[in-house]
Amino acid sequence: DAGVIQSPRHEVTEMGQEVTLRCKPISGHDYLFWYRQTMMRGLELLIYFNNNVPIDDSGMPEDRFSAKMPNASFSTLKIQPSEPRDSAVYFCASSFWETINEQFFGPGTRLTVL
Amino acid sequence: EDKVVQSPLSLVVHEGDTVTLNCSYEVTNFRSLLWYKQEKKAPTFLFMLTSSGIEKKSGRLSSILDKKELSSILNITATQTGDSAIYLCAVANAGGTSYGKLTFGQGTILTVHP
Repeated sequence: DAGVIQSPRHEVTEMGQEVTLRCKPISGHDYLFWYRQTMMRGLELLIYFNNNVPIDDSGMPEDRFSAKMPNASFSTLKIQPSEPRDSAVYFCASSFWETINEQFFGPGTRLTVL
Repeated sequence: EDKVVQSPLSLVVHEGDTVTLNCSYEVTNFRSLLWYKQEKKAPTFLFMLTSSGIEKKSGRLSSILDKKELSSILNITATQTGDSAIYLCAVANAGGTSYGKLTFGQGTILTVHP
């Protein structure tokens, strides 16, 4: 299995631009998670899905952030408009329902907003 | 709100030393406690501890959960330079819409010198 796949791996953009991060979970996994990691705040859960349905988005910082999961093999996290404080590493992770807490993380997308 | 605190935040040792990393937590409805190792990229799963499995061991790494004290330790014996990483502790909530949600601590940065 290829593991969780994320793209792009690095993204540099200017303030105000729209940013879309992509994730392909491990085939067969029921849950998909989006995290953000910064030095100041550590690893924070933004939103997670079960069978493509959003379960908890209480970690999404504000309305500029949105996430979708149109099918079992693809999810996006969108920031519009982006701000410098959104600069972070964004991780996608997935898991089976039976072992929900043993999450497999993707390599992350390092986002820099200038 | 669930909370995880790790100590120390950073630790520098020499190869062969034994280290103990600490994690304390507050969670409304405890399901499990997890340890992850993060090297240059994504966190990778190490252990999961639950009420029915309070001690785990894998090679030179071992972990114990103390549900009374709401804490856990991760021990690494005979450290090697390859153990250098950030070690993350997380707690999983069992309740309602928080099912599956992980709250991470800030992490302990371990550096092992030759």
